Amino acid sequence: NAGVMQNPRHLVRRRGQEARLRCSPMKGHSHVYWYRQLPEEGLKFMVYLQKENIIDESGMPKERFSAEFPKEGPSILRIQQVVRGDSAAYFCASSPHGTGLNTGELFFGEGSRLTVL
Amino acid sequence: AQSVTQLDSQVPVFEEAPVELRCNYSSSVSVYLFWYVQYPNQGLQLLLKYLSGSTLVKGINGFEAEFNKSQTSFHLRKPSVHISDTAEYFCAVWFSGSARQLTFGSGTQLTVLP
Repeated sequence: NAGVMQNPRHLVRRRGQEARLRCSPMKGHSHVYWYRQLPEEGLKFMVYLQKENIIDESGMPKERFSAEFPKEGPSILRIQQVVRGDSAAYFCASSPHGTGLNTGELFFGEGSRLTVL
Repeated sequence: AQSVTQLDSQVPVFEEAPVELRCNYSSSVSVYLFWYVQYPNQGLQLLLKYLSGSTLVKGINGFEAEFNKSQTSFHLRKPSVHISDTAEYFCAVWFSGSARQLTFGSGTQLTVLP
């Protein structure tokens, strides 16, 4: 049962280091979404990607954060020069179609929990 | 403005008691509605969804929800909870039109007490 796979599940970084989070969508899914869950808060949309394209990055912080979904390989969320406020759970979700075309249902991975010391 | 509100952040309830988790949204466009559950240190799992048709939808684990368009609500209910239902529950809305992602409420922590 190849669901959405995220790695690493847990990542510890010191302030100023870089964090790279990976997401492999479900088989047959070409749409990937990244959400961030801060402690005691709900999920906040960050970015929506298709293969080789960023469709909507309206939820991404303007600096230090970037995302990609190359033709081959997983989607990557990259955080440069991490700060303590970046500590959160980062969830990836995938769907077979864009949310403008289907029911909007997303399939979530188990998340990557980033701790910045 | 489009928004999703979960009115209760914490809901403690005794085992075998009924429970209702509330969700309201604000929108001028049509919507699809979802409830997701998150167990500790895990991802989100879809409980149920409303797309169209009957306003009462049934999901997994004995949960159901009712879409009330006039009150813009989509409350989640279960007639008798179990200890294993202890989890965080998220209401999510897809707003038709230009929105390209699900908007989530802030979550409700359901704690079932023995």
